[in-house]
Amino acid sequence: EAGVAQSPRYKIIEKRQSVAFWCNPISGHATLYWYQQILGQGPKLLIQFQNNGVVDDSQLPKDRFSAERLKGVDSTLKIQPAKLEDSAVYLCASSLNNEQFFGPGTRLTVL
Amino acid sequence: QKEVEQDPGPLSVPEGAIVSLNCTYSNSAFQYFMWYRQYSRKGPELLMYTYSSGNKEDGRFTAQVDKSSKYISLFIRDSQPSDSATYLCASAGNNRKLIWGLGTSLAVNP
Repeated sequence: EAGVAQSPRYKIIEKRQSVAFWCNPISGHATLYWYQQILGQGPKLLIQFQNNGVVDDSQLPKDRFSAERLKGVDSTLKIQPAKLEDSAVYLCASSLNNEQFFGPGTRLTVL
Repeated sequence: QKEVEQDPGPLSVPEGAIVSLNCTYSNSAFQYFMWYRQYSRKGPELLMYTYSSGNKEDGRFTAQVDKSSKYISLFIRDSQPSDSATYLCASAGNNRKLIWGLGTSLAVNP
């Protein structure tokens, strides 16, 4: 069974630039999550999708972050404009029941 | 007070030692308790999943939940260098929204 795929693995941008991350969940998983993990901390949920609908985006900074999952499969997370404090690993996870399976993450550095 | 508290360590032990990792939580509504392992530059992977109180054993790993004291533990027996990673505890209520600890960095030295 293929795992959760994410790209790119690494991204370096300057502040005020925009960036997009892509996630392909495990086939058949209806629930998809985007997390932000800052070095030395646990993951922070940004947004949760159930199929292509948003279940929870209470911690998503909506002035600069956006996410979509148009066909209920792949998802993209965008940051525009990026700030220095956005430097983190962005993790995508998917689940069928209770267990969340994580991708390798995208490490974002904002200079 | 964070909903899930975890000592970030780092923890360094010799190979073969018994490792004890702990978390506390404050929300009495939490029913689901997980331990994830995260290797450097990888995403977290689920190690142990426990519903409500009690013990669960899987090979060298044992998870314990004491709801009366709101205490979560992970024990690793006969620790190996390959166990060197960050261990994250997470808890959730009926909404299944995971609340994470900071993670404890473990190094097992050969």
